[in-house]
Amino acid sequence: QQPVQSPQAVILREGEDAVINCSSSKALYSVHWYRQKHGEAPVFLMILLKGGEQKGHEKISASFNEKKQQSSLYLTASQLSYSGTYFCGTEMGAGGTSYGKLTFGQGTILTVHP
Amino acid sequence: NAGVTQTPKFRVLKTGQSMTLLCAQDMNHEYMYWYRQDPGMGLRLIHYSVGEGTTAKGEVPDGYNVSRLKKQNFLLGLESAAPSQTSVYFCASSYWPSYGYTFGSGTRLTVV
Repeated sequence: QQPVQSPQAVILREGEDAVINCSSSKALYSVHWYRQKHGEAPVFLMILLKGGEQKGHEKISASFNEKKQQSSLYLTASQLSYSGTYFCGTEMGAGGTSYGKLTFGQGTILTVHP
Repeated sequence: NAGVTQTPKFRVLKTGQSMTLLCAQDMNHEYMYWYRQDPGMGLRLIHYSVGEGTTAKGEVPDGYNVSRLKKQNFLLGLESAAPSQTSVYFCASSYWPSYGYTFGSGTRLTVV
């Protein structure tokens, strides 16, 4: 089942902070976060794994609440380059058994103004 | 490094025509995936492969076929295109499950 992202859209001024949430009704093994700019391919930001391991860019922070099957992406001191659509992708099943298949949320549009 | 390369970038097909989308990666990744992206629906998995010579169905496989004869290439075929297959198609590859995807730049397909 498709994870649900909230909010659907966020408008910020440079320097402001934002939080994007991703919720699933299924037990998750991992949550991935990607950013996509208009007309471009999604770009990997971070993976959060069951058990607490994280892999990703140093300047990106996120959390994964295993009890609630929720993940949050924290964007602090936003820059113009942060604008784009953010997608979470969820992976179910124990490590490796789902073959890395992701189910993506519908996306959150982030717009940063000067 | 080129990463993941998709060809063609744009294509217009008539209903009933066939075509093949090519995805090539030079990162020695085992896992490859084909997704389609439609407005407001995020990305949906069509087919995937866990290694050379293997393929499996994803969430929306109907009307598509795939082949992975070589590790670096993953082909997506449309045998008889339908307007419902108008979409942006993304190929992605991954070194291992739970590693990040590297996406290709996409193919914008319009079926008229």
